[in-house]
Amino acid sequence: QKEVEQDPGPLSVPEGAIVSLNCTYSNSAFQYFMWYRQYSRKGPELLMYTYSSGNKEDGRFTAQVDKSSKYISLFIRDSQPSDSATYLCAMNRETSGSRLTFGEGTQLTVNP
Amino acid sequence: GAVVSQHPSRVICKSGTSVKIECRSLDFQATTMFWYRQFPKQSLMLMATSNEGSKATYEQGVEKDKFLINHASLTLSTLTVTSAHPEDSSFYICSARDRRGQLAPQHFGDGTRLSIL
Repeated sequence: QKEVEQDPGPLSVPEGAIVSLNCTYSNSAFQYFMWYRQYSRKGPELLMYTYSSGNKEDGRFTAQVDKSSKYISLFIRDSQPSDSATYLCAMNRETSGSRLTFGEGTQLTVNP
Repeated sequence: GAVVSQHPSRVICKSGTSVKIECRSLDFQATTMFWYRQFPKQSLMLMATSNEGSKATYEQGVEKDKFLINHASLTLSTLTVTSAHPEDSSFYICSARDRRGQLAPQHFGDGTRLSIL
């Protein structure tokens, strides 16, 4: 069983839709959670970084963490064609320099 | 925001050539940098952790003599693919973590697409 499970999609939505991306994890030692966006042929770009249960909002993006259920989500409001990318969840156990464990990534297409 | 620069972005070379990829943190110092490999439509696979001033730590199955890592300063790590062969063709990505702040996340470069003919 993988430590982090993420639905690979692909996910296709119309412009303006609310997008929900999710990851589950099995190891309760994970304490820090990230969402990255990766455009084709580019490196991942950090979108959100959280380390406590609850919601964190940044513009159209909201990251949600539920440590009791070992479940994290990224919501995108008013989705735009420019949001079309692969979204990777990632998490790690410690603060300083520890390796990240990634989900497989969800490919999202927002249609105009 | 934090910026990590990776160079070159694209390399095409003949089999047997050695290729050096640079990873620089532009606006922060990084005691630790990471090197990943990514195959099409797959997630990132960690190859090694690069520590400034000490030897890199390689993941299981990654040949350290094949993938040489040097982290000579707090802003620069290099990955050299020695005697590259077609099976080494891939997308290589580095990341760096700001050494200030216990909770700093990793920031990624834009990757290097390596094609060995």
